Amino acid sequence: AQSVTQLDSHVSVSEGTPVLLRCNYSSSYSPSLFWYVQHPNKGLQLLLKYTSAATLVKGINGFEAEFKKSETSFHLTKPSAHMSDAAEYFCVVTYRSGNTPLVFGKGTRLSVIA
Amino acid sequence: DTAVSQTPKYLVTQMGNDKSIKCEQNLGHDTMYWYKQDSKKFLKIMFSYNNKELIINETVPNRFSPKSPDKAHLNLHINSLELGDSAVYFCASSRGRDSTGNTIYFGEGSWLTVV
Repeated sequence: AQSVTQLDSHVSVSEGTPVLLRCNYSSSYSPSLFWYVQHPNKGLQLLLKYTSAATLVKGINGFEAEFKKSETSFHLTKPSAHMSDAAEYFCVVTYRSGNTPLVFGKGTRLSVIA
Repeated sequence: DTAVSQTPKYLVTQMGNDKSIKCEQNLGHDTMYWYKQDSKKFLKIMFSYNNKELIINETVPNRFSPKSPDKAHLNLHINSLELGDSAVYFCASSRGRDSTGNTIYFGEGSWLTVV
Protein backbone atom coordinates (compact mmCIF):
# COMPACT_ATOMS: atom_id res chain seq x y z
CA ALA A 1 0.00 0.00 0.00
CA GLN A 2 1.11 3.53 -0.64
CA SER A 3 2.46 5.52 2.27
CA VAL A 4 4.25 8.72 3.08
CA THR A 5 6.63 9.39 5.95
CA GLN A 6 7.41 12.77 7.37
CA LEU A 7 10.65 12.29 9.17
CA ASP A 8 10.26 15.04 11.76
CA SER A 9 7.20 15.65 13.88
CA HIS A 10 8.49 19.07 14.95
CA VAL A 11 11.01 21.45 13.39
CA SER A 12 12.09 24.70 15.02
CA VAL A 13 14.01 27.41 13.14
CA SER A 14 14.96 31.00 13.76
CA GLU A 15 13.36 33.72 11.67
CA GLY A 16 15.42 34.37 8.56
CA THR A 17 17.08 30.94 8.50
CA PRO A 18 16.36 28.15 5.98
CA VAL A 19 13.52 25.68 6.41
CA LEU A 20 13.76 21.98 5.52
CA LEU A 21 10.80 19.65 6.07
CA ARG A 22 11.50 16.10 5.02
CA CYS A 23 9.14 13.67 3.29
CA ASN A 24 9.64 10.19 1.84
CA TYR A 25 7.02 8.17 -0.02
CA SER A 26 6.62 4.52 -0.86
CA SER A 27 7.45 3.80 -4.48
CA SER A 28 4.61 2.45 -6.57
CA TYR A 29 3.45 3.44 -10.03
CA SER A 30 3.65 7.16 -10.71
CA PRO A 31 3.06 9.31 -7.67
CA SER A 32 1.56 12.73 -7.45
CA LEU A 33 2.92 14.57 -4.44
CA PHE A 34 1.62 17.56 -2.57
CA TRP A 35 2.50 19.75 0.36
CA TYR A 36 -0.36 21.30 2.31
CA VAL A 37 -0.12 23.79 5.18
CA GLN A 38 -2.56 24.10 8.06
CA HIS A 39 -2.51 27.18 10.25
CA PRO A 40 -4.06 26.91 13.75
CA ASN A 41 -7.82 26.36 13.62
CA LYS A 42 -7.79 26.66 9.85
CA GLY A 43 -8.31 24.36 6.89
CA LEU A 44 -5.59 23.01 4.63
CA GLN A 45 -4.07 25.15 1.92
CA LEU A 46 -2.10 23.78 -1.00
CA LEU A 47 1.51 24.97 -1.06
CA LEU A 48 2.66 23.10 -4.16
CA LYS A 49 2.30 19.87 -6.09
CA TYR A 50 4.30 17.53 -8.31
CA THR A 51 2.53 15.62 -11.08
CA SER A 52 5.35 14.35 -13.35
CA ALA A 53 6.37 17.65 -14.89
CA ALA A 54 9.47 19.53 -13.64
CA THR A 55 11.10 17.85 -10.66
CA LEU A 56 11.72 21.17 -8.89
CA VAL A 57 8.37 22.60 -7.97
CA LYS A 58 7.83 26.15 -6.80
CA GLY A 59 4.89 26.98 -4.59
CA ILE A 60 3.35 29.87 -2.76
CA ASN A 61 5.04 31.98 -0.08
CA GLY A 62 8.55 31.16 -1.30
CA PHE A 63 8.36 27.41 -0.70
CA GLU A 64 9.68 24.85 -3.12
CA ALA A 65 10.16 21.09 -3.20
CA GLU A 66 12.24 18.73 -5.28
CA PHE A 67 11.03 15.33 -6.43
CA LYS A 68 13.90 12.83 -6.25
CA LYS A 69 12.83 9.47 -7.60
CA SER A 70 16.10 7.74 -6.70
CA GLU A 71 15.63 8.74 -3.06
CA THR A 72 11.80 8.54 -3.07
CA SER A 73 11.82 11.94 -1.43
CA PHE A 74 9.91 15.20 -1.77
CA HIS A 75 11.44 17.55 0.79
CA LEU A 76 10.01 21.03 1.30
CA THR A 77 12.37 23.98 1.58
CA LYS A 78 12.32 27.73 1.98
CA PRO A 79 15.44 29.93 2.01
CA SER A 80 14.33 32.24 4.80
CA ALA A 81 11.67 31.50 7.42
CA HIS A 82 9.08 34.07 8.39
CA MET A 83 7.07 34.17 11.58
CA SER A 84 3.89 33.61 9.56
CA ASP A 85 5.27 30.24 8.35
CA ALA A 86 4.64 28.70 11.76
CA ALA A 87 2.03 26.00 11.08
CA GLU A 88 1.49 22.28 10.52
CA TYR A 89 2.74 20.93 7.19
CA PHE A 90 1.48 17.77 5.52
CA CYS A 91 3.14 15.79 2.78
CA VAL A 92 0.55 13.95 0.69
CA VAL A 93 0.77 11.27 -1.99
CA THR A 94 -1.60 9.78 -4.47
CA TYR A 95 -1.01 7.47 -7.39
CA ARG A 96 -2.22 7.88 -10.93
CA SER A 97 -3.31 4.30 -11.13
CA GLY A 98 -6.82 3.33 -10.27
CA ASN A 99 -8.99 5.07 -7.80
CA THR A 100 -6.63 5.82 -4.94
CA PRO A 101 -7.37 8.38 -2.26
CA LEU A 102 -4.89 10.90 -0.94
CA VAL A 103 -2.60 9.49 1.73
CA PHE A 104 -1.42 12.02 4.29
CA GLY A 105 1.77 12.03 6.26
CA LYS A 106 1.47 12.57 10.01
CA GLY A 107 2.47 16.19 9.72
CA THR A 108 5.42 18.33 10.77
CA ARG A 109 4.87 21.24 13.09
CA LEU A 110 7.09 24.17 12.13
CA SER A 111 7.94 26.68 14.85
CA VAL A 112 9.66 29.94 13.96
CA ILE A 113 11.59 31.73 16.69
CA ALA A 114 12.05 35.48 16.59
CA ASP B 1 -16.47 33.91 -1.71
CA THR B 2 -15.40 30.78 0.14
CA ALA B 3 -14.72 27.94 -2.30
CA VAL B 4 -15.53 25.07 0.07
CA SER B 5 -17.70 26.02 3.00
CA GLN B 6 -18.86 23.81 5.81
CA THR B 7 -21.17 24.42 8.75
CA PRO B 8 -21.13 24.45 11.65
CA LYS B 9 -17.52 25.31 12.43
CA TYR B 10 -17.85 24.27 16.06
CA LEU B 11 -20.24 21.72 17.48
CA VAL B 12 -20.46 20.43 21.04
CA THR B 13 -23.01 17.71 21.66
CA GLN B 14 -23.81 14.88 24.03
CA MET B 15 -23.20 11.19 23.47
CA GLY B 16 -26.05 9.45 21.73
CA ASN B 17 -27.21 12.49 19.79
CA ASP B 18 -27.54 12.67 16.00
CA LYS B 19 -25.87 15.57 14.20
CA SER B 20 -25.17 16.76 10.68
CA ILE B 21 -22.38 18.76 9.10
CA LYS B 22 -23.13 20.48 5.83
CA CYS B 23 -20.71 21.16 3.01
CA GLU B 24 -21.02 23.15 -0.18
CA GLN B 25 -18.51 23.97 -2.91
CA ASN B 26 -18.87 26.66 -5.56
CA LEU B 27 -15.90 25.58 -7.68
CA GLY B 28 -17.88 23.49 -10.16
CA HIS B 29 -16.03 20.36 -9.06
CA ASP B 30 -17.53 16.93 -9.56
CA THR B 31 -15.83 15.12 -6.69
CA MET B 32 -16.28 15.80 -2.99
CA TYR B 33 -14.77 14.22 0.11
CA TRP B 34 -14.96 13.98 3.85
CA TYR B 35 -11.76 13.67 5.85
CA LYS B 36 -11.34 13.14 9.59
CA GLN B 37 -8.46 14.67 11.55
CA ASP B 38 -7.86 13.10 14.94
CA SER B 39 -6.35 14.65 18.04
CA LYS B 40 -2.84 13.85 16.79
CA LYS B 41 -3.51 15.82 13.59
CA PHE B 42 -3.62 12.66 11.47
CA LEU B 43 -5.87 13.04 8.43
CA LYS B 44 -7.69 10.14 6.86
CA ILE B 45 -10.29 9.96 4.13
CA MET B 46 -13.75 8.79 5.10
CA PHE B 47 -15.81 9.13 1.93
CA SER B 48 -15.49 10.28 -1.64
CA TYR B 49 -18.32 11.09 -4.03
CA ASN B 50 -18.03 11.64 -7.77
CA ASN B 51 -21.07 13.11 -9.50
CA LYS B 52 -23.22 12.24 -6.49
CA GLU B 53 -22.12 8.62 -6.49
CA LEU B 54 -20.11 7.04 -3.70
CA ILE B 55 -16.68 5.97 -4.96
CA ILE B 56 -14.66 5.61 -1.77
CA ASN B 57 -15.96 4.39 1.55
CA GLU B 58 -13.17 3.66 3.97
CA THR B 59 -13.76 1.63 7.11
CA VAL B 60 -16.16 4.03 8.74
CA PRO B 61 -18.93 2.92 11.15
CA ASN B 62 -22.42 2.71 9.71
CA ARG B 63 -23.38 5.54 12.06
CA PHE B 64 -21.75 7.87 9.54
CA SER B 65 -23.87 8.44 6.45
CA PRO B 66 -22.93 10.89 3.72
CA LYS B 67 -25.61 12.43 1.55
CA SER B 68 -25.00 14.16 -1.76
CA PRO B 69 -28.17 15.86 -3.04
CA ASP B 70 -26.23 17.35 -5.96
CA LYS B 71 -22.66 17.76 -7.16
CA ALA B 72 -22.13 20.92 -5.11
CA HIS B 73 -23.16 19.46 -1.76
CA LEU B 74 -21.96 16.62 0.43
CA ASN B 75 -23.43 16.48 3.91
CA LEU B 76 -22.29 14.21 6.71
CA HIS B 77 -24.82 12.80 9.12
CA ILE B 78 -23.70 11.04 12.27
CA ASN B 79 -26.04 8.91 14.38
CA SER B 80 -25.60 7.93 18.02
CA LEU B 81 -22.50 10.02 18.57
CA GLU B 82 -19.69 8.49 20.64
CA LEU B 83 -16.81 10.10 22.52
CA GLY B 84 -14.39 8.77 19.92
CA ASP B 85 -16.13 10.74 17.20
CA SER B 86 -14.63 13.93 18.60
CA ALA B 87 -12.38 15.23 15.86
CA VAL B 88 -12.12 17.83 13.14
CA TYR B 89 -14.01 16.93 10.00
CA PHE B 90 -12.88 18.45 6.71
CA CYS B 91 -14.91 18.63 3.57
CA ALA B 92 -13.00 18.90 0.28
CA SER B 93 -13.55 18.91 -3.45
CA SER B 94 -11.64 18.43 -6.68
CA ARG B 95 -12.12 18.29 -10.40
CA GLY B 96 -12.01 14.66 -11.32
CA ARG B 97 -10.96 11.84 -9.06
CA ASP B 98 -7.91 12.55 -6.92
CA SER B 99 -5.91 9.74 -8.47
CA THR B 100 -5.37 12.02 -11.46
CA GLY B 101 -3.29 14.35 -9.31
CA ASN B 102 -5.81 17.18 -9.37
CA THR B 103 -5.63 19.65 -6.52
CA ILE B 104 -8.02 19.04 -3.67
CA TYR B 105 -9.49 22.12 -2.04
CA PHE B 106 -10.38 21.90 1.63
CA GLY B 107 -12.95 23.62 3.76
CA GLU B 108 -11.97 25.21 7.06
CA GLY B 109 -13.07 22.26 9.14
CA SER B 110 -15.81 21.46 11.63
CA TRP B 111 -14.65 20.90 15.22
CA LEU B 112 -16.89 18.24 16.75
CA THR B 113 -16.71 17.62 20.49
CA VAL B 114 -18.78 14.84 22.01
CA VAL B 115 -19.26 15.05 25.77
